[in-house]
Amino acid sequence: QKEVEQNSGPLSVPEGAIASLNCTYSDRGSQSFFWYRQYSGKSPELIMFIYSNGDKEDGRFTAQLNKASQYVSLLIRDSQPSDSATYLCAVNAGSARQLTFGSGTQLTVLP
Amino acid sequence: DTGVSQDPRHKITKRGQNVTFRCDPISEHNRLYWYRQTLGQGPEFLTYFQNEAQLEKSRLLSDRFSAERPKGSFSTLEIQRTEQGDSAMYLCASREGLGYTFGSGTRLTVV
Repeated sequence: QKEVEQNSGPLSVPEGAIASLNCTYSDRGSQSFFWYRQYSGKSPELIMFIYSNGDKEDGRFTAQLNKASQYVSLLIRDSQPSDSATYLCAVNAGSARQLTFGSGTQLTVLP
Repeated sequence: DTGVSQDPRHKITKRGQNVTFRCDPISEHNRLYWYRQTLGQGPEFLTYFQNEAQLEKSRLLSDRFSAERPKGSFSTLEIQRTEQGDSAMYLCASREGLGYTFGSGTRLTVV
C-alpha cells in the first residue's frame, strides 16, 4: 500500500462547478497535510495546508481533514479553466519532515 | 528574487556522463530538500540538509548520486555515470516551519 493514495483521474468538471479531490494516507502519525497544484512542466505550488480535523477555507479552496478515517480532501468552488492542472496531496513525515506525495489527480475544467 | 532558484533548467546528457545541478534556497531557510519527479508521479524524496549537514538520504539515492551543501547555503546534486532511468525532473525545496517552497526544477534527459 502506498503511503499516500490519490485517484489519478482524470477528473473533468464544467466551469463553475465544484471539483472534489480526495486523498488517503497510511501513517496515522502524520500531522500535517498539504495540497499542491502543478501545471504541466512546472514545479508544484502550494495551495494550502491543514493540520487540524475539520475544514480550512482559503478563497475558493477548502481543505477537509478527517484523521480518524485518514482522509484529506480539497474542494474547489466555482472552478475555472485556469484550475486545470494536476493536484498533489502530500503529508510530512519522517525525521526530516520530508513531504511524501501521492501520484496526483489530473483535473480538467471544461469551459 | 526571494524564491528558490535552480540551475540549469534543462540538461540533456549522454548516458555515462556526469551531471551536476545547483539549488539556491530562500536565504532564511536552513532546511533544504531534493526530490525527483518522473512523468505521472508525485515528487519522491531524495535527501535532506539542515544547514550544511546531510541528515537524511532516501534509498532512492544510489551511490551514483551525491549531494552537498557547503557552508549551509546553496546545494549541489551530482549524478555520476548517468543512466536513462535517471531522466526526470529534479526539484529542490527549502523550508521554514510548514512552508515548503519549491524551485522551478531541473529537467534531465539522458540520451
